[in-house]
Order: sequence, then C-alpha cells, then structure tokens
Amino acid sequence: DSGVTQTPKHLITATGQRVTLRCSPRSGDLSVYWYQQSLDQGLQFLIQYYNGEERAKGNILERFSAQQFPDLHSELNLSSLELGDSALYFCASSVGAHWYQETQYFGPGTRLLVL
Amino acid sequence: GENVEQHPSTLSVQEGDSAVIKCTYSDSASNYFPWYKQELGKGPQLIIDIRSNVGEKKDQRIAVTLNKTAKHFSLHITETQPEDSAVYFCAASFLSGGNQFYFGTGTSLTVIP
Repeated sequence: DSGVTQTPKHLITATGQRVTLRCSPRSGDLSVYWYQQSLDQGLQFLIQYYNGEERAKGNILERFSAQQFPDLHSELNLSSLELGDSALYFCASSVGAHWYQETQYFGPGTRLLVL
Repeated sequence: GENVEQHPSTLSVQEGDSAVIKCTYSDSASNYFPWYKQELGKGPQLIIDIRSNVGEKKDQRIAVTLNKTAKHFSLHITETQPEDSAVYFCAASFLSGGNQFYFGTGTSLTVIP
C-alpha cells in the first residue's frame, strides 16, 4: 500500500458527460501528479500540483482540468468525455516539488470507461 | 519534445536468468531516468533511477546503465524470480520549461518458473 488513495476505483459513464476523480496524497506529501494510462497512448503525465499551485503541465487536454485543495487532496475533472478518454487514471504524490529528486508514490488508479 | 523508445515490448525468461530492457531517448537535455515496475492491477512503483552524471547504478539484483553519448539506458535484472513478472516502464526527464517527463511504452516481463 503506497498510502495514496484514489476514488472511485471504477467509473462508467457516457460520451459527453463530466466526471471528477479524487486523490488523497500520502501524509506529508505536498505534490500530486496525475497520469493517464491507455492501451494506445501508454503512460502519460498530465499535470502536477505542488502545495495548491500548478507546477507542471504535460499532455493534458483542454477538456481536462485539475486542482489541489488546501487539505492537499486533488481532483481531476474530465469533461465532454469521448470514447478515447477511457483509460486508467493514476495519481501519485511526493514530498517536494521536483519529482526527479524524490520518489513518487502511485495510487491504485481509477478505471474510467466511456460508453 | 522528448521521445522515449523501449524494447522489447515483451520478454520471457527462465527463472534464474537475466533480463535486459533497453530504452533510447531523443533529447540530450534529459538528465534523469527512472524505471518503474507495474504489477497487475496496481500503479507503477519506482524501482531504480539514474542521473546523467552517473554511468551505472545497482540495487541488489537490479542495475541500470546509462550511455549519454548514444542516448540510451538499460535495466538489468539478474537471477530473475517469478515475482519479477510485471510491466516495466522507463522514463526520461526533460527539465526545460518545467517538470516534463516522458515514459517508454513498457515491457511485459514474464519469468517462467
């Protein structure tokens, strides 16, 4: 158990809908990262938040947005969902802002299926 | 941006043999190269990493080598065990403009008892 929790574990929705994925980092970690893992795109970094502020952006679509709250939990919002958004979404956390200086701990993921 | 290629996509070895997974990267500015292990139904887990100022790093049965000139790095697992069976991902950091990093496509390793 990494100490990172993600809810829900599974999510089934329809095209055009909007969903929110939630992540709680390990106690003491200030950074939260979001990743998308799909069969055709592999593992992709989406976005990082550090202590409530956006720190780095990867291949995140404009239809997607995220935020980190004062209690450090984070939410990833996916809107106008398309079939291609079906994937595993992982959250990871680390203590500091620079991922390359420390270990990221991954949560178990949320499996999203868009029908 | 950075492009990370990983080979092979699948690898089967007999228990006790060694396994080698190779990755190449395109951006010479990349300077941090982690390897992750992902077991079925779980998130990736960092198993070893290497920075560009080091050519090799070992941690028990796992080692990573880096050739900056050729822009490739490899994961070596010796004395493989069935519990090493998993998908392994390499990644390369691209620090220009922020904490950007890119993953390889993954290698599914099967260790046959």
